[in-house]
Amino acid sequence: LAKTTQPISMDSYEGQEVNITCSHNNIATNDYITWYQQFPSQGPRFIIQGYKTKVTNEVASLFIPADRKSSTLSLPRVSLSDTAVYYCLVGDINEYGNKLVFGAGTILRVKS
Amino acid sequence: DAGVTQSPTHLIKTRGQQVTLRCSPKSGHDTVSWYQQALGQGPQFIFQYYEEEERQRGNFPDRFSGHQFPNYSSELNVNALLLGDSALYLCASSLPTGITYGYTFGSGTRLTVV
Repeated sequence: LAKTTQPISMDSYEGQEVNITCSHNNIATNDYITWYQQFPSQGPRFIIQGYKTKVTNEVASLFIPADRKSSTLSLPRVSLSDTAVYYCLVGDINEYGNKLVFGAGTILRVKS
Repeated sequence: DAGVTQSPTHLIKTRGQQVTLRCSPKSGHDTVSWYQQALGQGPQFIFQYYEEEERQRGNFPDRFSGHQFPNYSSELNVNALLLGDSALYLCASSLPTGITYGYTFGSGTRLTVV
């Protein structure tokens, strides 16, 4: 399983765009990149998933360069409720019996 | 559409006791995974159940065991509790192959061992 590296924490202000970068130098050909969000005392929540280039949904965008050795989760116009831990995961989503391997994640603090 | 339901939400046990945690998967999901999350850390995979069998296991001792029922619900059992077993225990459900839209997690059971 590819190892991921993320910043331990980030601070932002309401209304700003936040970009969290994840490094995954050993990503395999069949691996996808998935981001989860977790609030205190809750389980992680799926945010977005992608393989290459750019993916956008109603919550976030995911940018993946051509070499796929890193990825950037972009949260537009954050609010106080976006304060959470964000996890970057890399793995083969089609692997039988796959499991999620979480790192320590990035603590995002949004201030008013 | 009900998501993943876990019970109880909180639990306090004494060292050496045994505990059973319960999980009902999201409607339409038939695969259940269990994770342990210590304070300040990411969730750690314990094991996964599909078709009432354990099909993958993480690096956890045999004190941790599980079961899946025909209705896809699952239980996590921990014997001979240690202080270090204090954690948030998360249940996640999914389809058996391919997680295109990710796992769905419950809110967890907070276990405190004293």
